[in-house]
Amino acid sequence: QSALTQPPSVSGSPGQSVTISCTGTSSDVGTYNRVSWYQQPPGTAPKLIIYDVTSRPSGVPDRFSGSKSGNTASLTISGLQAEDEADFYCSSYRSGNTLVFGGGTKLTVL
Amino acid sequence: QVQLVEPGGGVVQPGGSLRLSCVASEFNLKIFGMYWVRQAPGKGLEWVAFIPYDESNQYYAQSVKGRFSISRDISKNTLYLQVNSVRPEDTAEYFCAKDIRPYGGNGYWSLDLWGRGTRVTVPS
Repeated sequence: QSALTQPPSVSGSPGQSVTISCTGTSSDVGTYNRVSWYQQPPGTAPKLIIYDVTSRPSGVPDRFSGSKSGNTASLTISGLQAEDEADFYCSSYRSGNTLVFGGGTKLTVL
Repeated sequence: QVQLVEPGGGVVQPGGSLRLSCVASEFNLKIFGMYWVRQAPGKGLEWVAFIPYDESNQYYAQSVKGRFSISRDISKNTLYLQVNSVRPEDTAEYFCAKDIRPYGGNGYWSLDLWGRGTRVTVPS
């Protein structure tokens, strides 16, 4: 099963905003609102930061926001901070009771 | 403290078997769907399996279907992944994770609590 498509890397300076895209198909992102985003610092387990396209779990700063248009979902991080540096993964429910992840995006805070 | 702990893991020869465990603390495994996700060294996340809270079915990634089996022991509040006929490409960190809401018969497919992971190595 093909992964969702994410840019391999993005970067930004402290205080700036960055957006990470996640492109799927009509079998996943385009049809279902079960899109999530995870943050994974090196050597740690992933942490859920966005679910159901736009919702944030308790404790996640509102600097993190999600959206979707057609087959592409996006994660925007505003007011970039040094501690945001990590790998970010999107995921989506795909028809047929499967879950598909993006290939991951490495965020560098300059 | 609400957490998932995965003891076990290890080195297993090609064609061999292993059972991974995931012990849930401070929440009732019985009412949540549960997942296994793996991450090969230096690679991205790959979904492996899902079991709904009511165990109505089990769902698997194509890469492991017919070789892996997900199950639970409610009395021990523990999730399992039976890994059979292993291959070198199964080498990865294996994470168990919990669904975001209870009672999702079809799953909510958002994983809000993850274990720290357990390493499985299959030498080539």
